[in-house]
This record gives sequence, structure tokens and C-alpha cells, in this order.
Amino acid sequence: EDKVVQSPLSLVVHEGDTVTLNCSYEVTNFRSLLWYKQEKKAPTFLFMLTSSGIEKKSGRLSSILDKKELFSILNITATQTGDSAVYLCAVVGTGTASKLTFGTGTRLQVTL
Amino acid sequence: SAVISQKPSRDICQRGTSLTIQCQVDSQVTMMFWYRQQPGQSLTLIATANQGSEATYESGFVIDKFPISRPNLTFSTLTVSNMSPEDSSIYLCSVAALAAYGYTFGSGTRLTVV
Repeated sequence: EDKVVQSPLSLVVHEGDTVTLNCSYEVTNFRSLLWYKQEKKAPTFLFMLTSSGIEKKSGRLSSILDKKELFSILNITATQTGDSAVYLCAVVGTGTASKLTFGTGTRLQVTL
Repeated sequence: SAVISQKPSRDICQRGTSLTIQCQVDSQVTMMFWYRQQPGQSLTLIATANQGSEATYESGFVIDKFPISRPNLTFSTLTVSNMSPEDSSIYLCSVAALAAYGYTFGSGTRLTVV
């Protein structure tokens, strides 16, 4: 059974801080790892990672995958209050009919 | 990537009743996925809906409780039947988007059962 573990479960930081969110996984025949931001109901897509060592970047957010050690990190630099959300990590394996398996999420709160 | 219209956005329902949630996609997709997110929890897959065949349910979810329809390649419904307070959750539909954009989610339905 595919498994995704995220840490920390929650995090409170001050605006301007840099944070690193962690995601480790076990999946049959790994295909991709995805990061989402969830503020209210619908998760919004951040990154999809398929190859090790290639950093994906979007503004202040970046992410990288290590397929040997089976983990990924999501970095947020110069955090803003608008970054407050739950960040979800999910994996897809080729043997799982394309379904996403989600981790429990990291709840990030950015304070002034 | 695909755009999904999901409704209702929220509802408050009496226990013992049923609620049908609809998702309309702006393009044809082979598979649609239905997820549940209980309060404070992560997303759990309920079932995968393929057009023209029975939905495939995950362990712990059964068709009698969560019947799904998939009449065509752009539309699906999930019914939550004989509801109890434990069914209070956010329900989300999802489709696989273009290769580089992961999976797209509908706007979600927040269900409260009283």
C-alpha cells in the first residue's frame, strides 16, 4: 500500500522567515510526486516532480525530489501571511490506476 | 488544464437523507476521482469513476453508501446516502490534467450532517 508521511504536522513562523516542508513516501512503481496548497476546500497545484535532483521553482516556492532516499522538500522563502495554508504532498504510482495518495499535510501559519 | 465545476458548494443535511454532488469538466477525461476530507484529516480516495463501467471503490467505501454515476466523459455525480454526522466532510472531485500540471480539483463540497 502506498504511503506518504509529511513533517512537521504544523508550523508557525514569522513573516519573512524561510520554511522547509518534508515529504517521504513509499509507492509501488513511482511515477510522480505532487505538492498542493489548500487554503479552504480545493487544493491548488504547486509542483509535479518526476526526476531526482531537478529543482522546480515558482516565485518564492521551490521543490526538489530525491528518488534514492524517497523524499521531497518544499521550500518557501520570505514567507508572507498569504502563505498560511495546509500544504499537501501526494504520490502517484504506475500500479495504482493513476490515483493520488496524500500525506496528512503540513499546516503552516505565518504571523506578522 | 481542465476546469471543473462542482456543486453544491456546501450543504447542511438531516441525518438519514442523501445528497448528490455533481462535477462538470470542461473537457473530456477518461478517469474522474472522488475524494473525502474529514475534519482535520487529509484527502482519502473514495472511488475512481470511468465512463461506461462501474466505479472502482477503495477499501472501506461501498457502492451502496457512495453510488457514483459517470454518464459521459465530462460529467460525474457522487451520492452520499443515508447520511450520518460521521459523513460531515469536504468532498472533492478530481481529474488528471495535462502532463505537467498534475491533477485538477473541483471547488469542493462542504457537507454538514445534523
